[in-house]
Amino acid sequence: DTAVSQTPKYLVTQMGNDKSIKCEQNLGHDTMYWYKQDSKKFLKIMFSYNNKELIINETVPNRFSPKSPDKAHLNLHINSLELGDSAVYFCDSSRTSEIYTGELFFGEGSRLTVL
Amino acid sequence: TQLLEQSPQFLSIQEGENLTVYCNSSSVFSSLQWYRQEPGEGPVLLVTVVTGGEVKKLKRLTFQFGDARKDSSLHITAAQPGDTGLYLCAGGSGSARQLTFGSGTQLTVLP
Repeated sequence: DTAVSQTPKYLVTQMGNDKSIKCEQNLGHDTMYWYKQDSKKFLKIMFSYNNKELIINETVPNRFSPKSPDKAHLNLHINSLELGDSAVYFCDSSRTSEIYTGELFFGEGSRLTVL
Repeated sequence: TQLLEQSPQFLSIQEGENLTVYCNSSSVFSSLQWYRQEPGEGPVLLVTVVTGGEVKKLKRLTFQFGDARKDSSLHITAAQPGDTGLYLCAGGSGSARQLTFGSGTQLTVLP
């Protein structure tokens, strides 16, 4: 059983389109995150949710909107896609909102390519 | 903003060699984690260190947290092709309430 699963794994779309990435975890964790990994492999946190509540919202354009219908799901919707949005987006989860000691469990990533 | 710099950025070595990867910052961290990421996969946790000066061993991998909790190192003995991957350090800070990832070291071990 996959612990953290993301769909789709690959997404190719035109500039200006709107797209969503879905994420689900079956680990029973309270906290879920979205990270962005750029072409230089640098991983940066975008959002963090604890029990469906937003607790971290880094400086991300408001074209990016996370939604957490329940604590096992955290989806990411992106409006008006731009070329610079091309990256690998990782969903992950942890046992606690005190994330500086807890292990992060990552999904396989969703590679977004904006043409 | 807390930054973690890793060196070297790229490392290509022969099977059987030893290597050390460094993770440095000017900030103090409550904890430091090391992850390994393989192509097409998400990072996977290798170890967490929380005490200054702490040393942890995981088979051929030795992790050390600096005394001042600003830096860390990963030493691999007798590297194998299976060690190939992107190694990421990540510092945890209670004040920032998040993990800050390092710039990564891409390791290639040639057979």
